[in-house]
Amino acid sequence: AQSVSQHNHHVILSEAASLELGCNYSYGGTVNLFWYVQYPGQHLQLLLKYFSGDPLVKGIKGFEAEFIKSKFSFNLRKPSVQWSDTAEYFCAVIPDQTGANNLFFGTGTRLTVIP
Amino acid sequence: DTEVTQTPKHLVMGMTNKKSLKCEQHMGHRAMYWYKQKAKKPPELMFVYSYEKLSINESVPSRFSPECPNSSLLNLHLHALQPEDSALYLCASSQVFPSEANVLTFGAGSRLTVL
Repeated sequence: AQSVSQHNHHVILSEAASLELGCNYSYGGTVNLFWYVQYPGQHLQLLLKYFSGDPLVKGIKGFEAEFIKSKFSFNLRKPSVQWSDTAEYFCAVIPDQTGANNLFFGTGTRLTVIP
Repeated sequence: DTEVTQTPKHLVMGMTNKKSLKCEQHMGHRAMYWYKQKAKKPPELMFVYSYEKLSINESVPSRFSPECPNSSLLNLHLHALQPEDSALYLCASSQVFPSEANVLTFGAGSRLTVL
């Protein structure tokens, strides 16, 4: 079955540590890729997105992600995390086959940043 | 107005009750979505409306009945639910076709508890 995988279920880091969260997808063809963040009790918020062009995408709050087509991956990175980055992070995909804007989420990674 | 508004924020209902969740947007979006999110899980796509017509039903039980009375409103009618249907129900909207300028905007959700 087509899917979006996030292998890290829970990541615990100290402040100022570097972050990399993995995301792999199994959809063929063209895909549009996203990272969303969900802070405790808050809306899903878009961190960054990739549609085409430069595979290194910069988002809000110092986050970036790299699309590696050959690896079907879209990993999220941040050089130095803060306590306020504690949240649930979701990778998401729009498979382009349908031509519609249907967004499918990965399983999520909970990030806990220790002050 | 760049928001998706969902009401009620919290709903408690018995298994024999009939209730509805409501979603409203005034961004001119012509696609609207219902997602279900269980605790510590990713949002799962339930229904998609495009141009006020149901375009996707992801094998959702008939005790959930969506309705899109106009381009700004989306309802989810609930009847004879089970306790395992307790979850956060998220509404989202976007333009119909994906593009860099057109990503889903999510509401804060309606937290449903079925007793």
